[in-house]
Amino acid sequence: QLQLVESGGGVVQPGRSLRLSCAASGFTFNMYGMHWVRQAPGKGLEWVAVISYDGSDKYYADSVKGRFTISRDNSKNTLFLQMNSLRADDTAVYYCAKAQRPFTMIVMGTWGQGTLVTVSS
Amino acid sequence: DIQMTQSPSTLSASVGDRVTITCRATQSVNSWLAWFQQKPGKAPKLLIYDASTLERGVPSRFSGSGSGTEFTLTISSLQPDDFATYYCQQYNGASPWTFGQGTKVEIK
Repeated sequence: QLQLVESGGGVVQPGRSLRLSCAASGFTFNMYGMHWVRQAPGKGLEWVAVISYDGSDKYYADSVKGRFTISRDNSKNTLFLQMNSLRADDTAVYYCAKAQRPFTMIVMGTWGQGTLVTVSS
Repeated sequence: DIQMTQSPSTLSASVGDRVTITCRATQSVNSWLAWFQQKPGKAPKLLIYDASTLERGVPSRFSGSGSGTEFTLTISSLQPDDFATYYCQQYNGASPWTFGQGTKVEIK
C-alpha cells in the first residue's frame, strides 16, 4: 500500500532551522518526482519545492528560495526539506506529495498526512 | 508567475444539486490543470488531472473541462461526502506550480 509519512515538524524560533523528512513505501520511490506543499493555518495550499526522480532537478517557490533545500535519498526511500532562516510566515502544515506519473514532476498524485511547523518565539 | 483565481469562494448547495466551480488562469496553461478535494484536517486528494482526466477511483459524478485560461469542475449530483474545499492547480512547465485560493462547498 502506497504510503507517505512526514516527520520532523515542531515549534522552532525565528531564524532557526528544521529538517523535515518524508518516508515513502509501497512504490518504487526512485522513479517518481516528489513535492513539498504547505498550508498555513486556515489558508490555502502553497507549493514549496519539487525534486526530480533522480535528484538532478530542483525547483523552489520564490518565498523559500535561498532558505529551503529539497533533497532525497533514494537508497532510503526518503525525501527531505531543509528549512533555514525560518520566519513566522513559514508556519504551516507541510505535506509531501508523489508525482502521479513515473519520471515526471508535474501532477501531484498521492499526499502524506502532513507535519506541522510552528515558527514562534 | 501564473495566478489562478477560483469562483465562487464559497458555494452553498444541497444534496443532489449540480455544482460548478470555475478556475481562471492569468495566462494559458494549455490543459495542464488539476483539481483537488480537501476535507478538514486531511491531506488534499487528486480528483482530475490534465483538465479532464478522472483520477482512478474518483466517482464519475466529478468531471473537468476547459483549456487555455478557463476551466470548470462539475459535480453532477452532490453527495454528502462531497462537502469539502476544492482547489485548482496549474502545472505549466514554464512557471512554478500554483493553486487557486479554494472553493468551499457547504451544505445549504
